[in-house]
Amino acid sequence: GDSVTQMEGPVTLSEEAFLTINCTYTATGYPSLFWYVQYPGEGLQLLLKATKADDKGSNKGFEATYRKETTSFHLEKGSVQVSDSAVYFCALGSIQGAQKLVFGQGTRLTINP
Amino acid sequence: ETGVTQSPTHLIKTRGQQVTLRCSSQSGHNTVSWYQQALGQGPQFIFQYYREEENGRGNFPPRFSGLQFPNYSSELNVNALELDDSALYLCASSSVRGGDYNEQFFGPGTRLTVL
Repeated sequence: GDSVTQMEGPVTLSEEAFLTINCTYTATGYPSLFWYVQYPGEGLQLLLKATKADDKGSNKGFEATYRKETTSFHLEKGSVQVSDSAVYFCALGSIQGAQKLVFGQGTRLTINP
Repeated sequence: ETGVTQSPTHLIKTRGQQVTLRCSSQSGHNTVSWYQQALGQGPQFIFQYYREEENGRGNFPPRFSGLQFPNYSSELNVNALELDDSALYLCASSSVRGGDYNEQFFGPGTRLTVL
């Protein structure tokens, strides 16, 4: 079945550092890919998405490119801020059975000033 | 446009009890999906409701059941609660039109604690 594997955390960086969180997937066909963010005590917020190969999703300085050849969707940001501290989830939109999201296990990011 | 809402925000139950969680879908959406997020884990798909019927189910036992109402709102019921049912329960609504995946929009979640 469809699955998502995320870089294990936690990840701790200093402010203004470069961020990469790796994500790879296994799926039938070419699913839509997503990054969600979850701040402490809150639900999920969609950060960015890409619906087909070579698409680049971007939002709030974060970017991720849909790489079909490597089945990857790595999240990057050039200069992180303390306010980016959160848990980040990579997910794919599966249509096996029902239309649903299949999530990775999440990566906790902490940014120190 | 009203987003997805869930109630209650928090809930504490004891083992063996039953619980009902509620979700109101976003305006214009006809499908509701439920996810369970255990502490430190990614959300896991429980089931989906479309046109008031279950439209797919994840790897959850039958004591997890649901309903969808004509206004597209939904309930998640869990019977015979176990300690491992403690989690954040997320509801997501979407407008399923068939074919490719349609984006889901999440509510804030209900945090269930089973003692």
